[in-house]
Amino acid sequence: AQSVTQLGSHVSVSEGALVLLRCNYSSSVPPYLFWYVQYPNQGLQLLLKYTSAATLVKGINGFEAEFKKSETSFHLTKPSAHMSDAAEYFCAVSVNNQGGKLIFGQGTELSVKP
Amino acid sequence: GAGVSQTPSNKVTEKGKYVELRCDPISGHTALYWYRQSLGQGPEFLIYFQGTGAADDSGLPNDRFFAVRPEGSVSTLKIQRTERGDSAVYLCASSLVGDLSTDTQYFGPGTRLTVL
Repeated sequence: AQSVTQLGSHVSVSEGALVLLRCNYSSSVPPYLFWYVQYPNQGLQLLLKYTSAATLVKGINGFEAEFKKSETSFHLTKPSAHMSDAAEYFCAVSVNNQGGKLIFGQGTELSVKP
Repeated sequence: GAGVSQTPSNKVTEKGKYVELRCDPISGHTALYWYRQSLGQGPEFLIYFQGTGAADDSGLPNDRFFAVRPEGSVSTLKIQRTERGDSAVYLCASSLVGDLSTDTQYFGPGTRLTVL
């Protein structure tokens, strides 16, 4: 069975600082991995996804994530945080033969200080 | 044009009552998903439709929960004999064909259900 662990339920960074949100997965077969963002009172929005092509995936709003099979990780990074990045971020895993069912982590709330 | 829409946005009900939550997917999307998000948690899968049929209902917590999609577009999640533990935000998502190697799941804003 697949699972996702997000380390750190709350992360706080200063504006302009590096953003690093951690995600580790467990999967018995090659996974698909996703990062979603949820702004207050809005629906989940896909940031980026890994589906077994390039291991470094670039997404929207300057975010990127690197798939590291040896570490079973898919950490999300952004070189320079902006105030508008404050939101809840969810890592998710799926396998193609499950018809698109996503298994989500518990989420990491990102705060950005001026 | 429009994204996934869900109605109502908020629903307050009393313990033991029956509720229906509606999801309108993006036009042309054959795959539709229901998730439940409890406070402080990530979304939890409930059920997945491919067209009119439920392809995977392994996430439905018990037989009080039921979902339909009779014409392959709009879906209704039905909860009988509601309990306080059912309080959560119910999310609906749709994707073109349900293949995540090529598709994207688009989420609606959710229905916040409160059971008193």
